[in-house]
This record gives sequence, structure tokens and C-alpha cells, in this order.
Amino acid sequence: QVQLVQSGAEVKKPGASVRVSCKASGYIFTSHDINWFRQAPGQGPEWMGWMTPNNGNSDSGQQFRGRLTLTSDTSIGTAYMELSDLRSEDTAIYYCARISHDLNWFDPWGQGTLVTVSS
Amino acid sequence: DVQMTQSPSSLSASVGDTVTITCRASQTIYKFLNWYQQKPGKAPKLLIYAVNSLQSGVPSRFSGSGSGSDFTLTISSLQAEDFATYYCQQSYSTPYTFGQGTKLEI
Repeated sequence: QVQLVQSGAEVKKPGASVRVSCKASGYIFTSHDINWFRQAPGQGPEWMGWMTPNNGNSDSGQQFRGRLTLTSDTSIGTAYMELSDLRSEDTAIYYCARISHDLNWFDPWGQGTLVTVSS
Repeated sequence: DVQMTQSPSSLSASVGDTVTITCRASQTIYKFLNWYQQKPGKAPKLLIYAVNSLQSGVPSRFSGSGSGSDFTLTISSLQAEDFATYYCQQSYSTPYTFGQGTKLEI
């Protein structure tokens, strides 16, 4: 079955960077874009950005530009999200999700990765 | 950015009830409207895509309707496993935005 499996929880200090991985299985990795979301405690999901495994193109939301890097390694079917200059307000669960080819729905989602930023 | 206004923010219901959640977009989003269910500690799960298409494996008691900028999720004959938080999401333009969520409680 189509599945996205993310890396484990991280604890980082303010100013540091974090990289979360998202390994795809059950489909051709380069056939769908991967999007990233985050969800702060008690809040709804927030879209962060997308990347195209086929060519490496990516884009991110305005509030993340300059801090967010989205990449992939097609040889192992894995997408990566790196967020730099971490602040306490970046504490959240981070999710990857596959986007459909038309009308842009997201399914499946990874299980989520908790990133805690604390001094 | 497209703003999504979802109501109510919370809803109390009983097993067997029918409930309706509404979502309004700040502009026309055509058919780019999806609904997700989220349970504590779990990732969002796609229920309905493109306004009214039921995702594979989702029970038929879930249905979606609407057009333009006004949309509805209806859950008929509530089951115990349906008590969760529900989000609408527009996928018409980036940043893809979500409603504030509706917590469905017993």
C-alpha cells in the first residue's frame, strides 16, 4: 500500500537546524509531488511548501522563505525537510503528504515527526 | 491568501445523530475543497476530496457538498469512531489553507 514513513522525534536548541525525512513506498516516488505541513500544539495544520522529486523544484510559504529547504533522494525514495534558525514557535509536529495529480488533495500523510525547540 | 472559515468550532452529538459542518472560503475555490478527519496523536486522514468525492475506504455515511465558496460536510448516523476533529482545506492556491477545525464530541 502507499505509505509515507517519517523519521523520529527531534529536540533542538534555538538557532539550530532540523532535518526530517519522509520515505515513500508503494508507488513510483517521482510521480507525485510531496508537500510538507506542520501542526503546533492545539492548532490546525499549516502548509509549509512543496517539492517535485522528478526535477527538484520546490516552493514554500512566505513565512518560511529563507529558512526552509525541501529536497529528495530519488535513489531511495525519500524526501527531506530542513528548517533552519529554529525558534520556540517552531515546536510542532511536522508532516509530509503526497499530493494528487489533479485537484490537489493530500493522501497519504506521514505519521508525523515531533520537533521540540527548547533551550 | 484564501481564508477558510469553518463552523462550528465544537459540536456535541450522540451516536446515531446526523451532523453538519460548514466551511466558507474567502473567494471562489471551484472544486478545490477537501475534508480531513484527525484523531489525537494521529495524522490527518482524507475523507472527502474535490467537494464531494469519497476517498476509498471511507464509510458512505460521510458526504460533502457545496460549490463556489460554501461547502458542507455531513456525517449521517454517527458512530463512536467518528468523534474526532474535522478540517476543511482549500487546495486552489498556495498557501493551501485549512479551516480552524470542528471538534466533534460525544
